[in-house]
Amino acid sequence: KAGVTQTPRYLIKTRGQQVTLSCSPISGHRSVSWYQQTPGQGLQFLFEYFSETQRNKGNFPGRFSGRQFSNSRSEMNVSTLELGDSALYLCASSLTGDNQPQHFGDGTRLSIL
Amino acid sequence: GQQLNQSPQSMFIQEGEDVSMNCTSSSIFNTWLWYKQDPGEGPVLLIALYKAGELTSNGRLTAQFGITRKDSFLNISASIPSDVGIYFCAGFAGGTSYGKLTFGQGTILTVHP
Repeated sequence: KAGVTQTPRYLIKTRGQQVTLSCSPISGHRSVSWYQQTPGQGLQFLFEYFSETQRNKGNFPGRFSGRQFSNSRSEMNVSTLELGDSALYLCASSLTGDNQPQHFGDGTRLSIL
Repeated sequence: GQQLNQSPQSMFIQEGEDVSMNCTSSSIFNTWLWYKQDPGEGPVLLIALYKAGELTSNGRLTAQFGITRKDSFLNISASIPSDVGIYFCAGFAGGTSYGKLTFGQGTILTVHP
């Protein structure tokens, strides 16, 4: 059974640009959550999508947004990139998102120059 | 916001030794999860706990869901070099926390052969 797939694995951008990251969940999983991982803040929740609807959102500015498609694949977008956005962005999927174990992809390493 | 306090921050042990780490919270969690993360990869689920007092094993790993629902413990017996990595506790707070895992800061485990 294929795991969670995130693309691309690495990205280098400059300040002010925008970026889109992609996540394909495990087949049959309808909930997709996104996290930002940094050495200083650890793993921080960004948002969760289920059936193309955002059900939950963390404490991140509006520059961070996402969406989910009918096949449960999800994308997140970061606009007007700042140096502090450099991080590992992780996507996780579960069947319904309600108190269920999440399975993570290997992340997208975003570096802002 | 909710936080999970994980300890110790790091451990240096000899191969064959047992390891213990724990996580505490000031608020109740409905589900506790333990993950391991290797460099360049996403967290991998080790154990999931769903009921207060629950004790669950996965090979050499044993974890417990505290009876107060505010803590959890992970033990690794007879450590081996491949146990090296970062271990995270994580929990679901319930209510409207759809898809939102709260993570501890992680325990960095080093095993000397």
